[in-house]
Amino acid sequence: GAVVSQHPSRVICKSGTSVKIECRSLDFQATTMFWYRQFPKQSLMLMATSNEGSKATYEQGVEKDKFLINHASLTLSTLTVTSAHPEDSSFYICSATQDFSGNTIYFGEGSWLTVV
Amino acid sequence: AQKVTQAQTEISVVEKEDVTLDCVYETRDTTYYLFWYKQPPSGELVFLIRRNSFDEQNEISGRYSWNFQKSTSSFNFTITASQVVDSAVYFCALSEAQAVDSNYQLIWGAGTKLIIKP
Repeated sequence: GAVVSQHPSRVICKSGTSVKIECRSLDFQATTMFWYRQFPKQSLMLMATSNEGSKATYEQGVEKDKFLINHASLTLSTLTVTSAHPEDSSFYICSATQDFSGNTIYFGEGSWLTVV
Repeated sequence: AQKVTQAQTEISVVEKEDVTLDCVYETRDTTYYLFWYKQPPSGELVFLIRRNSFDEQNEISGRYSWNFQKSTSSFNFTITASQVVDSAVYFCALSEAQAVDSNYQLIWGAGTKLIIKP
């Protein structure tokens, strides 16, 4: 079946640096990709929605300049956490869909980010 | 407004007991999709089921079963003869069928942490 792959699965970075997380749809073209953030023991919080070739739509309260999302192709979206701070430490997960029927939505494995 | 409520934050049962996880949703749409996902401690989301609003038939898959009741806006999930490996956080989610050129988003419940004790 379709697979969405996230990389890296775990990353530790220093405060002030930037870190990039990739989300790839391996065997289908993802017209839309979503980025979620999950705090410990909480539900998933949608950060932004990205369509290939256009600017991402950010949810209220999510800083666009801090969480840069690029959806350059139909199989790849990237989330870059810029000038990371310890409070950015979280579990980030992407999902991808290839149509709007509600029938196909796939999640990546998630990425654990720790900022030290 | 769309909303998904999982009132049970944590459930703890002894292995082999049956357990039901509740999910109540709110939506104005007549066409929508409901989902259940399992999130084990490793973090990845495991898809369990998708149900569209026009299909009210209950579904059984092995030890898992789902009861969809539109009259009460509920989509409850039951695990029969629970096992330790069922321990995880379970999320219920809703997606409304919007216009064809709209983005498809999931509205998540808060999740229910299920602990199965040996």
